Amino acid sequence: DAGVIQSPRHEVTEMGQEVTLRCKPISGHDYLFWYRQTMMRGLELLIYFNNNVPIDDSGMPEDRFSAKMPNASFSTLKIQPSEPRDSAVYFCASSFREFGTDTQYFGPGTRLTVL
Amino acid sequence: GQNIDQPTEMTATEGAIVQINCTYQTSGFNGLFWYQQHAGEAPTFLSYNVLDGLEEKGRFSSFLSRSKGYSYLLLKELQMKDSASYLCAVRLYNNNDMRFGAGTRLTVKP
Repeated sequence: DAGVIQSPRHEVTEMGQEVTLRCKPISGHDYLFWYRQTMMRGLELLIYFNNNVPIDDSGMPEDRFSAKMPNASFSTLKIQPSEPRDSAVYFCASSFREFGTDTQYFGPGTRLTVL
Repeated sequence: GQNIDQPTEMTATEGAIVQINCTYQTSGFNGLFWYQQHAGEAPTFLSYNVLDGLEEKGRFSSFLSRSKGYSYLLLKELQMKDSASYLCAVRLYNNNDMRFGAGTRLTVKP
């Protein structure tokens, strides 16, 4: 298996633009997670899905952020409009079982820079 | 608030043993995780503890004391490749949120 795939790997955009980050989880994994990592705030869990359904989005910073999982093999994290403080590395991870009872596998991350 | 504290940096010698501590004060507890993250890379899951005691996995072991709000990650027979940041994270009980510590940057020297 190729592991968790994220695209793009790097994204540079201007403030106010819409940004869409993409994730393909490992086949057969029922759980998908979105994280954000910055120097200031460290690693944060934004949202996670079970069988394509959002389970907890309490970590989503504000309404500008939205996440979808239209099918078992694809998820998106969208920021609209983007702001400079959204600059971070965004990780997607997947697991077979709910986190804690199974190993999470992280994708390589998308480094987002908002100018 | 939720507090998860770990030392910022540690240094150890190749072949030695190092213990990285994590203390937490959170509103509820539903498990504690340790992750390893090399610079510029994604985190890698190391361990998960939900009950008190020691979990051993090869050169790495993780300990939890829920009554003390305390965990540690023990790394034995240190290798240069163990130089990385180690993140402690707590899953909160009342919801499914996870809170991460700022991480401990470990440097292994020859």
